[in-house]
Amino acid sequence: GQNIDQPTEMTATEGAIVQINCTYQTSGFNGLFWYQQHAGEAPTFLSYNVLDGLEEKGRFSSFLSRSKGYSYLLLKELQMKDSASYLCAAMDSNYQLIWGAGTKLIIKP
Amino acid sequence: SAVISQKPSRDICQRGTSLTIQCQVDSQVTMMFWYRQQPGQSLTLIATANQGSEATYESGFVIDKFPISRPNLTFSTLTVSNMSPEDSSIYLCSVDLPGDRNEQFFGPGTRLTVL
Repeated sequence: GQNIDQPTEMTATEGAIVQINCTYQTSGFNGLFWYQQHAGEAPTFLSYNVLDGLEEKGRFSSFLSRSKGYSYLLLKELQMKDSASYLCAAMDSNYQLIWGAGTKLIIKP
Repeated sequence: SAVISQKPSRDICQRGTSLTIQCQVDSQVTMMFWYRQQPGQSLTLIATANQGSEATYESGFVIDKFPISRPNLTFSTLTVSNMSPEDSSIYLCSVDLPGDRNEQFFGPGTRLTVL
């Protein structure tokens, strides 16, 4: 079956770095997405990886290892506004997104 | 990118009634998706709506309960029929823009509470 695993909740300190891991199993693979979702709002796109390696975009970076079925989202210089849920989603061979349950990130001062 | 609006943003409905949610996009798109997100849960795909054809429903969702219209390339509706409290959820539409990233853009969501 198809499955996405990510931690339910993480806590980090303002100004620090946090890494949110995601493992996936899909029928075929057409890329790995990370979305940010603030409470009561719609998800917004953060990153897309389809090749192995690290993609950096400002304070956020995303890594993919296709052979391991593994990705992580790295957030640097954490700010209070980064408190949100982070959703990992893998696209299968039918170009359908398989969504993880999301990781709730709590930032403490 | 795409700008997506949904109406209503929220509603409180009585058991047994139906609600139609509208989704409007500022550009023409082939595929539109309807998701449900229950409190504290991730997104669950209800159906995919392509213009000019019947919507494709995911396992556990049927057309009689969630009829969908897709009259043109910028608009779609989802109806939640014969509602029960279990249908209380956030309903989101999203679109898939052409390009090599396959990125999906989401509407702001409709928060539905069924009493």
